Amino acid sequence: AAGVIQSPRHLIKEKRETATLKCYPIPRHDTVYWYQQGPGQDPQFLISFYEKMQSDKGSIPDRFSAQQFSDYHSELNMSSLELGDSALYFCASSPPGGAEKQYFGPGTRLTVT
Amino acid sequence: SQQGEEDPQALSIQEGENATMNCSYKTSINNLQWYRQNSGRGLVHLILIRSNEREKHSGRLRVTLDTSKKSSSLLITASRAADTASYFCATRSLIYNQGGKLIFGQGTELSVKP
Repeated sequence: AAGVIQSPRHLIKEKRETATLKCYPIPRHDTVYWYQQGPGQDPQFLISFYEKMQSDKGSIPDRFSAQQFSDYHSELNMSSLELGDSALYFCASSPPGGAEKQYFGPGTRLTVT
Repeated sequence: SQQGEEDPQALSIQEGENATMNCSYKTSINNLQWYRQNSGRGLVHLILIRSNEREKHSGRLRVTLDTSKKSSSLLITASRAADTASYFCATRSLIYNQGGKLIFGQGTELSVKP
């Protein structure tokens, strides 16, 4: 069965650079969630999209923005990167109908040096 | 953590023993889910228990939920070395305008020694 795809899997950037993370949900899933997991931390909700519209927003810095495109894939754009942005970024998707379960991708490990 | 506490934060047991992890949460929930994460890798969904359920089983997993105490426990029976991982509980809010986002607990790091 198809799973959530995230790219790239690993990314190394320097301070003040920008990064774009991509997420391809499971086919026919209409909701995408982004989570950030710092070293030794629990995952924290950043933002979600339902049918290409932002549906909820968590502790996402103003330097970050995201969107969901017509093919339902989503991108998380991060600017003016800081050392503290180094983390594992997960994307999850869920199917129509308010499904309870989210399907997580393998994550993108971002390292800011 | 946005959610609350998980305890213990770390647990070390021998293969064959049972492992119990506890999770507390703060808000009213629609459901509570447990996830497993191998060292810095992806989150794997283990089991989901709804707010109107008290206990659920899946293979060697047993989950309980006490909404009056806002707490849950995950029991892994007859543990194996391959169960070594971090385990997180996550809750989905009952409040509609909070959408379907999951709020995670701090996690328990389980080490099963062969």
